[in-house]
Amino acid sequence: GAVVSQHPSWVICKSGTSVKIECRSLDFQATTMFWYRQFPKQSLMLMATSNEGSKATYEQGVEKDKFLINHASLTLSTLTVTSAHPEDSSFYICSAPSDYGYTFGSGTRLTVV
Amino acid sequence: LAKTTQPISMDSYEGQEVNITCSHNNIATNDYITWYQQFPSQGPRFIIQGYKTKVTNEVASLFIPADRKSSTLSLPRVSLSDTAVYYCLVGDHNAGNMLTFGGGTRLMVKP
Repeated sequence: GAVVSQHPSWVICKSGTSVKIECRSLDFQATTMFWYRQFPKQSLMLMATSNEGSKATYEQGVEKDKFLINHASLTLSTLTVTSAHPEDSSFYICSAPSDYGYTFGSGTRLTVV
Repeated sequence: LAKTTQPISMDSYEGQEVNITCSHNNIATNDYITWYQQFPSQGPRFIIQGYKTKVTNEVASLFIPADRKSSTLSLPRVSLSDTAVYYCLVGDHNAGNMLTFGGGTRLMVKP
């Protein structure tokens, strides 16, 4: 099957700093990667879609300058939370479509203090 | 995009069969129906996928009526470890379309 490896699994950072989250497709090529955010007791909300070789598309209300997405290759997509603030604390999850359906990363718990 | 509607929560007891129904009235011709399980602080995990009729694997069954406007996930003989949130998702992974998550169903299995 298809596997998406997401790192780090958790991170604590100081307010104002930037954090990078990586998602790698291990055994397939992910031309598209979806980035979700999930707050406690809520469902996953799509933030943006990254496509290898082109600019990411962001959902309404998501600041593209704050959540920088780079899809550097067919196996790597990164989400950088810039100038993080406590309200950015959340669970971030990536997902990629493959021949087997949609595969999700294990998620990254971001805590901004 | 096909929107899904599921019960917010369900309670069950160990050893019982649990059926969770999802409605997706505007499902598209190329859309598949996929169910995911999510534990706290983990990414969603694939349970089962189907297009029509019935699909069964080692952990669940998926029943899809002919009109495909709904689907039912059946978990046989649940255990405490099946306590989780279950999401019904509809989409065309072959086209790389994004998935829109509904609220999911929070299943609580009691001893």
